[in-house]
Amino acid sequence: AQKVTQAQTEISVVEKEDVTLDCVYETRDTTYYLFWYKQPPSGELVFLIRRNSFDEQNEISGRYSWNFQKSTSSFNFTITASQVVDSAVYFCALSEAWFRETGANNLFFGTGTRLTVIP
Amino acid sequence: NAGVTQTPKFRVLKTGQSMTLLCAQDMNHEYMYWYRQDPGMGLRLIHYSVGEGTTAKGEVPDGYNVSRLKKQNFLLGLESAAPSQTSVYFCASSLNVFGNTEAFFGQGTRLTVV
Repeated sequence: AQKVTQAQTEISVVEKEDVTLDCVYETRDTTYYLFWYKQPPSGELVFLIRRNSFDEQNEISGRYSWNFQKSTSSFNFTITASQVVDSAVYFCALSEAWFRETGANNLFFGTGTRLTVIP
Repeated sequence: NAGVTQTPKFRVLKTGQSMTLLCAQDMNHEYMYWYRQDPGMGLRLIHYSVGEGTTAKGEVPDGYNVSRLKKQNFLLGLESAAPSQTSVYFCASSLNVFGNTEAFFGQGTRLTVV
């Protein structure tokens, strides 16, 4: 079963519009972590945020904000006043204890949302 | 501070050829990972390592081997490349398990098998 679902495959907005990227996750663990990564056209993965399952406070960082709701298993990402430089593929990811025999865990990625900001 | 460096950045292989992808990190991280990224499927874990001399299988290990002889290097090998291994490969490292610390990713290696 898909652990992280990003239902929006592609989104286009006009510059300065606000846009929300949806992320729904599935896990049986009570302790888990959620992440957002940005992949610009250059291809690298840029870390944006990490949130643990015990902290449901919303977070704001400049034009970026994140809304974590355990009741709906969602961790949505909003960009306010979008800019052309925000054009990228955005990945939501979930980390839970998986490889119990080694003590490691895995990052389960969603399929990504391609955001295009039109000037 | 280079972070995570992958070599090469691009490669074209013929079916049946072998190659090794190199990942090097200079952050003294214990954990290292190899992921592949395919269209519409996000990133999937191939193999990982929790320290020098250790390796373990991830979600999609078939057709790949890895080695971690030195703490800073994590090698991914394809013994007999197949077209299904055409993908973008990402290496990552972290100081501790995901969640406790951030994972740092390399810039990716685009591999095409013809």
